[in-house]
Amino acid sequence: GESVGLHLPTLSVQEGDNSIINCAYSNSASDYFIWYKQESGKGPQFIIDIRSNMDKRQGQRVTVLLNKTVKHLSLQIAATQPGDSAVYFCAEGDGGFKTIFGAGTRLFVKA
Amino acid sequence: NAGVTQTPKFQVLKTGQSMTLQCAQDMNHNSMYWYRQDPGMGLRLIYYSASEGTTDKGEVPNGYNVSRLNKREFSLRLESAAPSQTSVYFCASSYQGDQPQHFGDGTRLSIL
Repeated sequence: GESVGLHLPTLSVQEGDNSIINCAYSNSASDYFIWYKQESGKGPQFIIDIRSNMDKRQGQRVTVLLNKTVKHLSLQIAATQPGDSAVYFCAEGDGGFKTIFGAGTRLFVKA
Repeated sequence: NAGVTQTPKFQVLKTGQSMTLQCAQDMNHNSMYWYRQDPGMGLRLIYYSASEGTTDKGEVPNGYNVSRLNKREFSLRLESAAPSQTSVYFCASSYQGDQPQHFGDGTRLSIL
């Protein structure tokens, strides 16, 4: 079936550096994509989303890039901080209610 | 403003027991969802409620039932718990469909 996956299960970055978390998706009909952050013992937190008619969207310290040609999604975090340590996962949807979630990448920020 | 509140936070059950997981949101959202999260896997949708008065099956509905009690509350019931239902359960809500935007902090359920 359709699935959302991540290239790297763990990512370790130095505080202050930029982080890039990648995601591959397989459903070419997906209309929107979302990044979530999940801290230990907490529920997922919506970070940013992007629609399929866009290739870039920026938020506060975060940028999502969408490459539909190769079905690739990335989340860039600028000036990574210790508070950014968490599991990040992407999700895709086709306009219905059944959003598909990836398993996640754990981001470690070294002080 | 509490967002999405789930109770209980932890629960241990014996096989065959029943229980109801409670979820309430105070954001006047129309849509609510129940997910389960298992190690190494993405969130999987159990049931959702597009609006008050409606419920629909998600990806993994077997062994579960739901009730959309009112606009605020959406409960998940396990009628006869099985060890395979050991998981972390998340409730989520959104103003109008497709993207679950607000999640509770989960119920950690162990079935022995």
